[in-house]
Amino acid sequence: AQSVTQLGSHVSVSEGALVLLRCNYSSSVPPYLFWYVQYPNQGLQLLLKYTSAATLVKGINGFEAEFKKSETSFHLTKPSAHMSDAAEYFCAVSLSGGSNYKLTFGKGTLLTVNP
Amino acid sequence: DGGITQSPKYLFRKEGQNVTLSCEQNLNHDAMYWYRQDPGQGLRLIYYSQIVNDFQKGDIAEGYSVSREKKESFPLTVTSAQKNPTAFYLCASIQATEAFFGQGTRLTVV
Repeated sequence: AQSVTQLGSHVSVSEGALVLLRCNYSSSVPPYLFWYVQYPNQGLQLLLKYTSAATLVKGINGFEAEFKKSETSFHLTKPSAHMSDAAEYFCAVSLSGGSNYKLTFGKGTLLTVNP
Repeated sequence: DGGITQSPKYLFRKEGQNVTLSCEQNLNHDAMYWYRQDPGQGLRLIYYSQIVNDFQKGDIAEGYSVSREKKESFPLTVTSAQKNPTAFYLCASIQATEAFFGQGTRLTVV
């Protein structure tokens, strides 16, 4: 079985400050890990993904995440927050290999950026 | 442009009615999924289909039904048996390690 825990349902930062959104996973086999962003009343957009290549993954809009197997973590960071980063962020896990790429999502973290 | 199209964007249902949400894709993906999103709950899997004429229940299938008669289409019916259908519904197709999402349908019971 696979699961994802996002620590903090709401994170608030000032514009220009570091963004850190936390994600821990549980998986019985090596996982694929994803971060998605969702703006109000829209679908999900892929920010970045880890698929067993480099452990430091760079994504769109200046975000990056580091896969740490020993900590079962895949935290999302951005050095300097922008007002346009305000959205809800979801971490997701999928089992590697096979043909069933069912995604399991965390409950989401709402990011607020203050001017 | 390739992608996932969900319709309608907003849908209102009366008590006791069945309603069908449309999901179409032109990405030629085999696998399609339906998720339900509620505030603070993340996305929960309702049904998924990995091939035409076959589909599997997800974690919260009760009160929902689907069909997969064509590769590009995966409609979701919310039946009167679903006691709390008000939610945001997202359709996705998944190929290899990437999921593509539609823009969602917001269903409200009135």
